[in-house]
Amino acid sequence: RKEVEQDPGPFNVPEGATVAFNCTYSNSASQSFFWYRQDCRKEPKLLMSVYSSGNEDGRFTAQLNRASQYISLLIRDSKLSDSATYLCAVNPGTASKLTFGTGTRLQVTL
Amino acid sequence: SAVISQKPSRDICQRGTSLTIQCQVDSQVTMMFWYRQQPGQSLTLIATANQGSEATYESGFVIDKFPISRPNLTFSTLTVSNMSPEDSSIYLCSVGGKNIQYFGAGTRLSVL
Repeated sequence: RKEVEQDPGPFNVPEGATVAFNCTYSNSASQSFFWYRQDCRKEPKLLMSVYSSGNEDGRFTAQLNRASQYISLLIRDSKLSDSATYLCAVNPGTASKLTFGTGTRLQVTL
Repeated sequence: SAVISQKPSRDICQRGTSLTIQCQVDSQVTMMFWYRQQPGQSLTLIATANQGSEATYESGFVIDKFPISRPNLTFSTLTVSNMSPEDSSIYLCSVGGKNIQYFGAGTRLSVL
């Protein structure tokens, strides 16, 4: 089993739709969780951290489910500009490194 | 967040040669990392660049192939040695740690 797994998609959704992605992780000792956004031919950019209590930033909501070992990202009222690949990242333990999922591609259409 | 400058932004190299990629940060940072992103793939950590000591390499990556320098808290280099077409990839440096990491713009390397 991979350390961090994501559905690669693509998710094709119309503008205004709500879309959700999940990301599962295998190490129950994982401590920190993040969602990154990566546009084509660009570097990943931090979208939001994922806290145990959940985290909301405008149209974006991130949740952590420790019991089932997954994190989720919900995007409401999708915009064309939300089209990108969304990478989840997990700190697997005490070291400082991050392990990334393969990313979920989102395409928002008119 | 830190401003991270990475260069070159892209290069086309002949097999058997080596390329050194530079990563400069506008503030002192403890942790610097080097990642590789192969076409259509996610990011794979190559190594953690440690200031004043040898880099810590991940499984599958060795110092002879990817020597790393970290002379101070704002700068690091990654060399891709004796390149082959399989080394064609995007190489990214990042700074931060387990609580947050930020990335440079990456170096797009093509090996012919």
